[in-house]
Amino acid sequence: GQQVMQIPQYQHVQEGEDFTTYCNSSTTLSNIQWYKQRPGGHPVFLIQLVKSGEVKKQKRLTFQFGEAKKNSSLHITATQTTDVGTYFCAAQGAQKLVFGQGTRLTINP
Amino acid sequence: NAGVMQNPRHLVRRRGQEARLRCSPMKGHSHVYWYRQLPEEGLKFMVYLQKENIIDESGMPKERFSAEFPKEGPSILRIQQVVRGDSAAYFCASSPRYPQGASGANVLTFGAGSRLTVL
Repeated sequence: GQQVMQIPQYQHVQEGEDFTTYCNSSTTLSNIQWYKQRPGGHPVFLIQLVKSGEVKKQKRLTFQFGEAKKNSSLHITATQTTDVGTYFCAAQGAQKLVFGQGTRLTINP
Repeated sequence: NAGVMQNPRHLVRRRGQEARLRCSPMKGHSHVYWYRQLPEEGLKFMVYLQKENIIDESGMPKERFSAEFPKEGPSILRIQQVVRGDSAAYFCASSPRYPQGASGANVLTFGAGSRLTVL
């Protein structure tokens, strides 16, 4: 079935530093979604990418979908303490959304 | 509040007891998904249901676990004879329609989760 690998598993940065998480698949994806889960919270949808090479921005967050539609990345510029949490990518399988393992971001203020 | 409602938020059970977790989807949504999250781990798909119909239960353990989404009322995830390894957060999510292919998948709206602790 559909699988997505996400790296790194953990990332610790100083506040103000940038952060990037990567999502990779061995198969071509029809689309990819990104979710954020705050500590103790539930996943919340951030964005969906559908087109090859697509780039979308939400304030300090930049999302990319690879040209081959096999990988995606989320980049946060100048992290803030509110960015703390786990970021998941998710790909559409036959009947369900399959989540990557997530990247847990912690920030030193 | 028209969001996905899960209850109970926290549930403590002793080994061998039964756990029942409920999920009311977002208003207008007819598809429900259950995911399990072990501490410090990712979201593992369990089951996908529509009203009165299980669409995909490939992630459900073969024994002790069952799920339903009746015509009336919430979706229920039932765990019989719980063991310590069942301790986890169980998240329900809903979506408004069947996932579509190249035009994009459904966006899931998650509930706050039910955190099961087995003593």
